[in-house]
Amino acid sequence: DAGITQSPRYKITETGRQVTLMCHQTWSHSYMFWYRQDLGHGLRLIYYSAAADITDKGEVPDGYVVSRSKTENFPLTLESATRSQTSVYFCASSGSGVGRTLDEQFFGPGTRLTVL
Amino acid sequence: KQEVTQIPAALSVPEGENLVLNCSFTDSAIYNLQWFRQDPGKGLTSLLLIQSSQREQTSGRLNASLDKSSGRSTLYIAASQPGDSATYLCAVLGGKLIFGQGTELSVKP
Repeated sequence: DAGITQSPRYKITETGRQVTLMCHQTWSHSYMFWYRQDLGHGLRLIYYSAAADITDKGEVPDGYVVSRSKTENFPLTLESATRSQTSVYFCASSGSGVGRTLDEQFFGPGTRLTVL
Repeated sequence: KQEVTQIPAALSVPEGENLVLNCSFTDSAIYNLQWFRQDPGKGLTSLLLIQSSQREQTSGRLNASLDKSSGRSTLYIAASQPGDSATYLCAVLGGKLIFGQGTELSVKP
């Protein structure tokens, strides 16, 4: 199916475990993003990527690692999960990067992560 | 630092009413502004994108305006329907996309 998908949709893990959230898009968009959404904080950018092998930190990157070996995939890894990382995680992508103007961002369905 | 504010936080209206959702931002140096809809437990759906050089965008019953100089955008929804019930988020792109907290809209039949 075309679009942007995330897996898993729901995940429960324990403190200290490593967790990887997957994001896949079929549009060949150059830009991809990871956000977390929390009550009281809204949506906050964790990391983003302008192209394969190019990543940069967002507003709340601590405790997270990303990679982008292929244009279509942008996995997010929590190296040692903490309870404060319990959240809903959204992946997004956008098409162009003409100058610094980005196109519309399109969002995946989200992954609800609970860290016990 | 860019801050985006949406007022009101929640709004309840009867079906058929025209309504306006507000979004304000503190730094007028933006590239674009995007309005999203989020249904409970779901992802974000892009509704309208206004580039910094534009004043408004329309899609069906939705009209979004942008006034960069005053740091404001409005989303106008005409003839509201129960299916419009959702949380509406605005986001501005400066160096990064910064979101408001959203307005939770409930349209009563």
